[in-house]
Amino acid sequence: GEDVEQSLFLSVREGDSSVINCTYTDSSSTYLYWYKQEPGAGLQLLTYIFSNMDMKQDQRLTVLLNKKDKHLSLRIADTQTGDSAIYFCAESNNNNDMRFGAGTRLTVKP
Amino acid sequence: DVKVTQSSRYLVKRTGEKVFLECVQDMDHENMFWYRQDPGLGLRLIYFSYDVKMKEKGDIPEGYSVSREKKERFSLILESASTNQTSMYLCASSPNWKREFVDTQYFGPGTRLTVL
Repeated sequence: GEDVEQSLFLSVREGDSSVINCTYTDSSSTYLYWYKQEPGAGLQLLTYIFSNMDMKQDQRLTVLLNKKDKHLSLRIADTQTGDSAIYFCAESNNNNDMRFGAGTRLTVKP
Repeated sequence: DVKVTQSSRYLVKRTGEKVFLECVQDMDHENMFWYRQDPGLGLRLIYFSYDVKMKEKGDIPEGYSVSREKKERFSLILESASTNQTSMYLCASSPNWKREFVDTQYFGPGTRLTVL
C-alpha cells in the first residue's frame, strides 16, 4: 500500500524553529495535511496544502511541498512550550480516505 | 464548529468481553471512520462507512466489527476483546468530498481502551 513516513522524535529549544519532515509515496495525492495531537486529545487539523502548491504560510507555520520528491515539511517559527505535541502528516486523493504517518513527537525545552 | 464525541475517554475491560465504542458527529457528515493509534505506528484505519448501513474494511479490520444504523452514529464493536486490542481508538468524520472543497477529517477526543 501507499506509505507516509516521518521521523518519530524531534527536540528543540524554546524560541528556535522546528522543522518536521514527511515523505509519501502516492503520486496521485491531492491534499496534504498536518495534524496536531496534544496529550490526551484527538487530532486537530493544523493546516493543509493542495498538491499544486509548493508553499503555504499561516502565522508561525510554513508548509513546504516538493511534489517531485514527494516531500512535505512543517516549519514552526519561534517554537513555544505549548507547541509540544505529536504532529501527524497525512495525505488523501479525494477517495474519502486518508493515510497518516506515524507521528513526530515534538518536545520543546525551555 | 464540527463536533465529534466518543462515549468514553477511558475504558477497562477483561479478555473475552464484548466492547462497544460509540461515536457521534453533529455535522451531518456522510463519512465516518474508526482508527486505532499505537506508539510508533501512527493511525491505522479499522473500518469506515460512507453512508448509513454501509461499511468498508480498512487496513486492520480483524477482531472488529462496526454498525452504522443512523447517519450521526458509528459504533465499533470488539466481539471478544483481547489484550492486543489495548490501544487508543479515534473516531473521525468527514463530509463527502464533493460537498466540501477540502477533504479533511474531524476527530473525536479518543477512547483509551485497556484490555486486561
